[in-house]
Amino acid sequence: ETGVTQTPRHLVMGMTNKKSLKCEQHLGHNAMYWYKQSAKKPLELMFVYSLEERVENNSVPSRFSPECPNSSHLFLHLHTLQPEDSALYLCASSPGGGYGYTFGSGTRLTVV
Amino acid sequence: AQKVTQAQTEISVVEKEDVTLDCVYETRDTTYYLFWYKQPPSGELVFLIRRNSFDEQNEISGRYSWNFQKSTSSFNFTITASQVVDSAVYFCALSPPRTGGGADGLTFGKGTHLIIQP
Repeated sequence: ETGVTQTPRHLVMGMTNKKSLKCEQHLGHNAMYWYKQSAKKPLELMFVYSLEERVENNSVPSRFSPECPNSSHLFLHLHTLQPEDSALYLCASSPGGGYGYTFGSGTRLTVV
Repeated sequence: AQKVTQAQTEISVVEKEDVTLDCVYETRDTTYYLFWYKQPPSGELVFLIRRNSFDEQNEISGRYSWNFQKSTSSFNFTITASQVVDSAVYFCALSPPRTGGGADGLTFGKGTHLIIQP
């Protein structure tokens, strides 16, 4: 158990479906992140939430929509995805100040 | 812009050999943090080390050691007497300094797949 919990672990969805990924941390960290890990590519930062601000990477398609209802929970809402969106989606949290990031085990997403 | 290069895509060694994973980074920040993470087949990234750019002392933790050379912008990772359980993908990462609620993520290299054969 890493302290950051992601559900579900695996998800298969059709291109017309709507689903959500959930991330939860009770480490008291100030920032939470969504990363995408595709085969043969570096981990890509998608979204960041901190106590003060939400930072969004403008290159993330609008079919990905993050939500952070409180400092312990982070969601990634998915709709009308494409097969190329199939990847491992990792959530992380950090106390800030350049300290280490704690990652969850990820959600393996397959879009069919 | 920040960049992390891990030139070794895959390394395969026999158990008990020493192995070094290379990491070269680029940044315009004068203060930054460097990290190494391990990703076993289960998927989660396991934190190994964090290094402040002002601290150039090498560090050893059991069979793991890290060589930080600011002059060459490198932060290499050595595993001594490798074991099968060390097989994983290893990522080097770079982060700018963050104060208050600043929101910068990590810039990762592409990772090095380390295979330790019995």
